[in-house]
Amino acid sequence: DIQMTQSPSSVSASVGDRVTITCRASQDISSWLAWYQQKPGKAPKLLIYAASSLQGGVPSRFSGSESGTDFTLTINSLQPEDFATYYCQQAHIFPLTFGGGTKVEIK
Amino acid sequence: EVQLVESGGGLVQPGGSLRLSCAASGFTFSSYALNWVRQAPGKGLEWVSSIRGSDGSTSYADSVKGRFTISRDNPKNTLYLQMNSLRAEDTAVYYCAKVLRTNWWGTMDAWGKGTTVTVSS
Repeated sequence: DIQMTQSPSSVSASVGDRVTITCRASQDISSWLAWYQQKPGKAPKLLIYAASSLQGGVPSRFSGSESGTDFTLTINSLQPEDFATYYCQQAHIFPLTFGGGTKVEIK
Repeated sequence: EVQLVESGGGLVQPGGSLRLSCAASGFTFSSYALNWVRQAPGKGLEWVSSIRGSDGSTSYADSVKGRFTISRDNPKNTLYLQMNSLRAEDTAVYYCAKVLRTNWWGTMDAWGKGTTVTVSS
């Protein structure tokens, strides 16, 4: 199985900050990486697919990048509605696997 | 608008069975792969099972293989998850999710609100 190692597990930030979350795959996943946002009691929401493609309707302050098996989600100018938990997920092969999550909290 | 509505969750004793359903609308149901993803209380997301739209082929997480069965009824636009031999560790919110493109299977762009399964005596 492909392991997805996500870091940090939590981050405290202020409105307007830039936040970076990383995810490392245990083997090549050929850009098949998605990022999701989840708020308490709600279903996950797709933000980024194919490592760097922005899902429709998602604000442009969200961006994704990749370098080999390392993937990054960047949130520029954090907004109040961005405080949530973020998950990466590899969509390359079964079993599909998620990272452990990163909780973005208000400083 | 794509809508996915799960039902069938509830309280069941260890060793019991449940069948979850996911009613879909707003897209060509038969053309898309669908997934079940679960989330135990206070924990992260765990993929459970997938069923492709093209040929109905299926995949399962090792944790549920042999106990859970995913299926779909295309004329009824409904996805199912038959869960047998339930264990306490199956306690979770179960989400159904549609994939982003017709020839993809793993990137999920639409999710239901989830249905809660509690396995306890």
